[in-house]
Amino acid sequence: NAGVTQTPKFQVLKTGQSMTLQCAQDMNHEYMSWYRQDPGMGLRLIHYSVGAGITDQGEVPNGYNVSRSTTEDFPLRLLSAAPSQTSVYFCASSYLRSGANVLTFGAGSRLTVL
Amino acid sequence: SQELEQSPQSLIVQEGKNLTINCTSSKTLYGLYWYKQKYGEGLIFLMMLQKGGEEKSHEKITAKLDEKKQQSSLHITASQPSHAGIYLCGADIRGGNKLVFGAGTILRVKS
Repeated sequence: NAGVTQTPKFQVLKTGQSMTLQCAQDMNHEYMSWYRQDPGMGLRLIHYSVGAGITDQGEVPNGYNVSRSTTEDFPLRLLSAAPSQTSVYFCASSYLRSGANVLTFGAGSRLTVL
Repeated sequence: SQELEQSPQSLIVQEGKNLTINCTSSKTLYGLYWYKQKYGEGLIFLMMLQKGGEEKSHEKITAKLDEKKQQSSLHITASQPSHAGIYLCGADIRGGNKLVFGAGTILRVKS
């Protein structure tokens, strides 16, 4: 099992450029989410999805778009990159059972915006 | 998230010593999760606590949940270099499956 696969692992963008961070899981998890990790701030939830066709905002959604057309994929789009979006991004997925939400994380994507 | 406060922010211990990391919520906990992150890598799930008074152990790591205090503690017995990393607590404090995380505790174990 590959688990949660994120691509690319590293990316450098210029301010104003757009890009998509890819996330795919092969565990048939209904729940998927995107976090960003910044020093001293822990993980902050950007967007999440409880199933195909359903997405919702997290704590820091501005500047990011998501879609969930299939159970497996949950891409994160940066429409016009800003230096404040320099961060490490993590995708995670889980089953939702009995009130539990045990996330399986990808290895992360390190994004630098110049 | 400021809704979850972890302490201490960082910790350096001598190999073989015990240590405790705390996670305190400002809101009702619907589930508390502990993860470990090695530098530059993703997060690995350690334990989940759902009920007040619940205690779980895995190898030399024990986690407890005090629901009344809205607090969880992670205790490592006889620390080893392999325990080094960043420990993060996550919690569902709003219902609706939105997990928020604390800022993390950086643990270094000196040999």
